Amino acid sequence: QVQLVQSGAEVMQPGASVKVSCKTSGYTFTNYGVSWVRQAPGQGLEWMGWINGYNGNTQHAQRFQGRLTLTTDTPTTTAYMELRSLRSDDTAMYYCAREFCDPARCFGPDFWGRGTQLTVSS
Amino acid sequence: QSVLTQPPSVSAAPGQKVTVSCSGASSNIGSHFVSWYRRLPGTAPQLLIYEDNKRPSWIPDRFSGSKSGTSATLGITGLQTGDEADYYCGVWDGSLSAYVFATGTEVTVL
Repeated sequence: QVQLVQSGAEVMQPGASVKVSCKTSGYTFTNYGVSWVRQAPGQGLEWMGWINGYNGNTQHAQRFQGRLTLTTDTPTTTAYMELRSLRSDDTAMYYCAREFCDPARCFGPDFWGRGTQLTVSS
Repeated sequence: QSVLTQPPSVSAAPGQKVTVSCSGASSNIGSHFVSWYRRLPGTAPQLLIYEDNKRPSWIPDRFSGSKSGTSATLGITGLQTGDEADYYCGVWDGSLSAYVFATGTEVTVL
């Protein structure tokens, strides 16, 4: 079965960087991409970006341009999300999810990880 | 704030039907497939509907999706207490070049 297993909770100081991992299994990694979605306390879901599991191409939501780096390691079928210059409003649950995108659009996540809680506090 | 609009909450008695609306624009719902997600308390979101009206095989047929123009609707029949959750619509927005979610609707079983 399709599974996405994320790394554990993180507590970071403002201005620092965090890197979250997402180990996938149960499907052909290169046939799909991985999206990252976050949910801040009391807020809705926010799509951050997507990385193609085949060639590493990425799409980012405009508000994360310059702060967000998405990478993959194909041999281990693992995706990574690095967010830099952390602020207190980056405190949120971060989810990775399998998603298929073509050159024109993404079709929405289907299988999701359980989430990684990030707390940004001094 | 989101480019998609959902009501903050809807409610109904057990066994009844509820509908959740999702309103958007020509750049998103009007031209791309809508998905629906459910997030039970303390769990990750779960896909309920994809490509406007298709259900994954493990989702019961009590859940349905429809779309007309720039609006989409999720229907839940035979409401159960276990359906209490937050429900979100999502869709690609061609103007933003990003996938967008609505702010979510809390479904309450009375």
